[in-house]
Amino acid sequence: RKEVEQDPGPFNVPEGATVAFNCTYSNSASQSFFWYRQDCRKEPKLLMSVYSSGNEDGRFTAQLNRASQYISLLIRDSKLSDSATYLCVVNMALSSASKIIFGSGTRLSIRP
Amino acid sequence: NAGVTQTPKFRVLKTGQSMTLLCAQDMNHEYMYWYRQDPGMGLRLIHYSVGEGTTAKGEVPDGYNVSRLKKQNFLLGLESAAPSQTSVYFCASRPDGNTEAFFGQGTRLTVV
Repeated sequence: RKEVEQDPGPFNVPEGATVAFNCTYSNSASQSFFWYRQDCRKEPKLLMSVYSSGNEDGRFTAQLNRASQYISLLIRDSKLSDSATYLCVVNMALSSASKIIFGSGTRLSIRP
Repeated sequence: NAGVTQTPKFRVLKTGQSMTLLCAQDMNHEYMYWYRQDPGMGLRLIHYSVGEGTTAKGEVPDGYNVSRLKKQNFLLGLESAAPSQTSVYFCASRPDGNTEAFFGQGTRLTVV
């Protein structure tokens, strides 16, 4: 089983739609969580961190459920510019350090 | 601000050749990472470092070596390149073990 799993998509939705992505992680000791966005042939960039109480940034809402080891990202009123791959990222604690593990990504395509 | 800079950006190698990829960050970050990204596989961790003079293996370390002689630089070496190492390589850094990571622009390597 992969340490971080995402639905690969692609999701193809009309502009203005609401779309949700899910992500599950296997290590219950994971400490912190992020959503990154990656455009074609570009580096990943932080979209938002995910806090235990859930957090919102404009049209984007992230939720964390530690009991179910589940993270979600909701995009409301989607724009053409939201077309990208969304990466779920989990920070895992180790005995002497920590490492960040990426899901394979979910592709989103917004159509006019 | 330069942030994380990778050199070179593109390279074509013949099987058996060696090369070094350089990652430099000017943010005084302690943690640095090397990932490779292949279609459908997401980002996979090759090696990482939690401080100057330290290195550790990630998920896919075979065929690669790294060094962190200076805090700002993290070098990834391929001693004898193989076609299976054709990939996009990303370097990332972060201040500590819990915060977001910042990525370089990537190096596209082709081994023929």
